[in-house]
Parts: sequence; structure tokens; C-alpha cells
Amino acid sequence: GAVVSQHPSWVICKSGTSVKIECRSLDFQATTMFWYRQFPKQSLMLMATSNEGSKATYEQGVEKDKFLINHASLTLSTLTVTSAHPEDSSFYICSAPRTGGLSKNIQYFGAGTRLSVL
Amino acid sequence: QKEVEQNSGPLSVPEGAIASLNCTYSDRGSQSFFWYRQYSGKSPELIMFIYSNGDKEDGRFTAQLNKASQYVSLLIRDSQPSDSATYLCAVKASGTYKYIFGTGTRLKVLA
Repeated sequence: GAVVSQHPSWVICKSGTSVKIECRSLDFQATTMFWYRQFPKQSLMLMATSNEGSKATYEQGVEKDKFLINHASLTLSTLTVTSAHPEDSSFYICSAPRTGGLSKNIQYFGAGTRLSVL
Repeated sequence: QKEVEQNSGPLSVPEGAIASLNCTYSDRGSQSFFWYRQYSGKSPELIMFIYSNGDKEDGRFTAQLNKASQYVSLLIRDSQPSDSATYLCAVKASGTYKYIFGTGTRLKVLA
């Protein structure tokens, strides 16, 4: 079964509104989570690293004021797309690395959130 | 800049054949390597991981790693139409939990 849960799976919103996406690790603690964006027929693009108890680390070119990340607990990270515009429409995917044992370093992905901004 | 290179394909193979997917990487310090399968509109799912030089087999899948040549491959035996997907090679960047992803190889298995 899924080890990382992501909600919602699909969201449609009006331009200018904000959208929050949740990512939860289900049976392990994740001090680090990752947020990716994927446009059609392109590969995953890492947007930011979410760090429990500290600020997120954003990749070059990603606006931190537009994509707010909060790592509220050891099992929950949220991504808020603020003042969304049609160009923000994309597939957003979170992942969490499971550390320790045979699963060390393996990133498990959420099911993804398809955002459509009208 | 650390990079992971894959042929974008599509790679077309007949049903029952062996599909061979290749990946090269630039970070010599990398120690962990992964293959993910991604169906259209879905998120990636882990197929194989490999940490040591040589071959690792799991069912119809075999991952091969050659750190000296900075090369990782995935073999899929007895390919099925359901294997048609994009296969992403990922390399864990040394010193972090970050992955560097290749652009993916699109595999088509023809019935």
C-alpha cells in the first residue's frame, strides 16, 4: 500500500486564489520531504526541499513567496500555491525519503496533485 | 552541474522480448541508484534500487550498475504491454537526500 499520501488528487481553482496541497508519510517519520512539479511530457523538476522545524530550501528559479512550504510535523508537509495563475497549472508531486534499514535513501512518492487554474 | 542522461525514446520492443534501458550519470560520489516507472498521468513508482556494482535481479527486472563507467541499466525480460510507460533513472546526489532524475525513456511494448 501507499506509504506517502497526497491530497487532493485534483483541484480546479480560479485565477488569483490559493491552493494547499498536503503530503503525509504514513508509517514513517520524514524530517525531509521533496516537492516536484511536472509539466506534460517533461521530467520531474525539483521545486524545493521541505525541512521539519526549519525553512524550506528552494531550487533556483522557484519563487518562495509563491510556493509556500510548511513542514508542520514529522509526517506532514504542505505546499501552498499562492495567487495561482494559469501558468501554475501542472502536476505537483511530493516525496519522502525513508531512511534506515534496507529502505535507506529510497524516496516514496505521493500520488500527485493535478492543479488546473482557470 | 550534476546530470543524469537517458535516451528519451520511444523504445519499441515486441511482447516477450527483453527491453534494455540505459542511464549515465556525472556525480562520481553517488552511491544510490534507482529506477522508477511512471504511467501517463500518474506519479513515479519504484521498480528497483541498486547500491553495489554488478547485477541485481527482482522477478523480470534486472538492474546493472558499473560505477567505474558511471552507468546504470535496467533490463525487463518477457516484456508485456503493461510495461509500456516512462522509466526514470534517479541518482541520489552525494551528501544529500536529493535525487537527480533523468528525463526518462518512454518504452512501448507491442502486442
